[in-house]
Amino acid sequence: DVQLVESGGDLVQPGGSLRLSCAASGFTFSDYWMSWVRQAPGKGLEWVANIKVDGSDSYFLGSVTGRFTISRDNAKNSVYLQMNSLTAEDTAVYYCATDLHCSGGVCQRFERFAYWGQGTLLTVSS
Amino acid sequence: DIQMTQSPSSLSASVGDRVTITCRASQGIGSDLGWFQQKPGKAPKRLIYAASSLQSGVSSRFSGSGSGTEFTLTISSLQPEDFATYYCLQHNTYPFTFGPGTKVDIK
Repeated sequence: DVQLVESGGDLVQPGGSLRLSCAASGFTFSDYWMSWVRQAPGKGLEWVANIKVDGSDSYFLGSVTGRFTISRDNAKNSVYLQMNSLTAEDTAVYYCATDLHCSGGVCQRFERFAYWGQGTLLTVSS
Repeated sequence: DIQMTQSPSSLSASVGDRVTITCRASQGIGSDLGWFQQKPGKAPKRLIYAASSLQSGVSSRFSGSGSGTEFTLTISSLQPEDFATYYCLQHNTYPFTFGPGTKVDIK
């Protein structure tokens, strides 16, 4: 079975940094782009970033560009979200999710967001 | 950025009711749209992909339609386990954007 397990959420002071991790199992991780999606308390879902299968390309939400970086380690079946210069507006549950499935140079758009982790909570507060 | 709107923002319905939720995109997105169900404290669950394809394992009472800028999610006969919040997501253009959600609760 596909499993995504996020970790690393914590209470951080404004201006601080944190790295979230997402460990994947049950599928060929290196064939999938991966995304991070967040949800502030009592609010809706917001896509944050994604990363290509080999880590060579990534895209970000405008409000996190320059502060967040995304990376992956295919040998460890893991994707990471490094978050710097954190503000209260970054307080949220962060989910990782599977994104594009690419195999043999062909990518399937319909695979996007088929699987999600359970989320990890980041609280930014003094 | 592409803006996604949903209507209604909330609705009250009874078990057995037919429910329709509409999602509109501020510009054309083809069929690059998914529908997600979320229950309190849980991760979102994909119900529909490519605007109208049913996710494997999801009840056939859920259906999706539309393309371009207007999309609908229909629940043919609402069941107790369907009371939740529903979101649409466009993944045609970066940044990907979700609709604000539609909360379905018990009348």
